[in-house]
Amino acid sequence: QSVLTQPPSVSGAPGQRVTISCTGNSSNIGAGYAAHWYQQLPGTAPRLLIYGNNHRPSGVPDRFSGSKSGTSASLAISGLQADDEADYYCQSYDDRLSGSVFGGGTKLTVL
Amino acid sequence: DVQLVQSGAEVKKPGESLKISCQGFHYSFTTFYIGWVRQMPGKGLEWMGVIYPGDSYSRYSPSFQGQVTISADKSINTAYLQWSSLKASDSAIYYCARHTDYGSRDGFDLWGQGTVVTVSS
Repeated sequence: QSVLTQPPSVSGAPGQRVTISCTGNSSNIGAGYAAHWYQQLPGTAPRLLIYGNNHRPSGVPDRFSGSKSGTSASLAISGLQADDEADYYCQSYDDRLSGSVFGGGTKLTVL
Repeated sequence: DVQLVQSGAEVKKPGESLKISCQGFHYSFTTFYIGWVRQMPGKGLEWMGVIYPGDSYSRYSPSFQGQVTISADKSINTAYLQWSSLKASDSAIYYCARHTDYGSRDGFDLWGQGTVVTVSS
């Protein structure tokens, strides 16, 4: 059972927009800690996609965007492409655990 | 290139010890926290613990406290994850990852390639 809750899977057709939610609580996202998002392509290490709730590292297309509200965060991917098929994870810091916490991951399927 | 390079795949028997490594290149290794993350076969990411190579201060997830040891040798820009007695359930991919310069409460902006550990009799 992950501290941060994500839907196990989402899907969308090429060109569509999808969102992935990440629900935390008052000891992590709700405590003011930032949410971060990672993309893990099959057989590869995770890659930072969004940091500080809504900032993109250089090289990440602006089709990817993040937001945070209250105890939750969201990742939006617009203009879906076939190579967006991957697992996506949210991550934050948790006061109760005194460490990082991850969501369970969401598998994105591009139909 | 700025990178974290991890040691190669390991195959061990239950009860054996193991130490895997993560070496940083082309950045100030001692001033960024390094975290270790486990990914069991077909599963998600789990935070194991973190170390500050500058002074070797470390902290562990309650799930991994007492099960592993995280250490660092700043003279060779390397962090380590070790087990004294492996179990079959330790079979997984282990990633090291660098926290951003905002510290250990922030995200991970650089990841190693992962070390596959297989424990089987």
